[in-house]
Amino acid sequence: DAKTTQPPSMDCAEGRAANLPCNHSTISGNEYVYWYRQIHSQGPQYIIHGLKNNETNEMASLIITEDRKSSTLILPHATLRDTAVYYCIVSHSPLDNQGGKLIFGQGTELSVKP
Amino acid sequence: DTEVTQTPKHLVMGMTNKKSLKCEQHMGHRAMYWYKQKAKKPPELMFVYSYEKLSINESVPSRFSPECPNSSLLNLHLHALQPEDSALYLCASSQDRGQETQYFGPGTRLLVL
Repeated sequence: DAKTTQPPSMDCAEGRAANLPCNHSTISGNEYVYWYRQIHSQGPQYIIHGLKNNETNEMASLIITEDRKSSTLILPHATLRDTAVYYCIVSHSPLDNQGGKLIFGQGTELSVKP
Repeated sequence: DTEVTQTPKHLVMGMTNKKSLKCEQHMGHRAMYWYKQKAKKPPELMFVYSYEKLSINESVPSRFSPECPNSSLLNLHLHALQPEDSALYLCASSQDRGQETQYFGPGTRLLVL
């Protein structure tokens, strides 16, 4: 079962920041938080991941709370092309025999509107 | 080149047919994956290959048979499928197993009649 909880849908105005929340209250110390998105009729696309520190790349920022029980993905200036399903995933540690498994939850369907 | 390619894009097959899906990557990745995605559902892991050896089988029925002939290629052989097996089949690769930065192909949309 997925170890994350996300709102099923969100709207965002074009040009505004999109803040997508994720709860992962049972995360363990060596598990990472990964974010992927899936644009309609395409394969999922990696966005960003983190362990405990906040992370930023050219696509997005990831804010992880100090207790690591929740995180927020931020798309700073959403465009229409960011309309997609966004998945927050807690990964198995690479050290256990289930490493390599991405367990996708239901995700958040983000609609960016003009 | 960060591309994972999958062929064919679409496939229609009868329940008595045998067909194969093909996946290819040239990023030097040593782990490759098959996922199944039903309409309006998240992807579900089927198989994981690491260094050309099957390392995870998520209790997939034997009518799905994976094969990894070399480090760049991953096949999924299909035989005696059921209509409920109709789905989008996604292939992915990563640098190594346990590296959850996976690169996905566009998928093969399969319809079983």
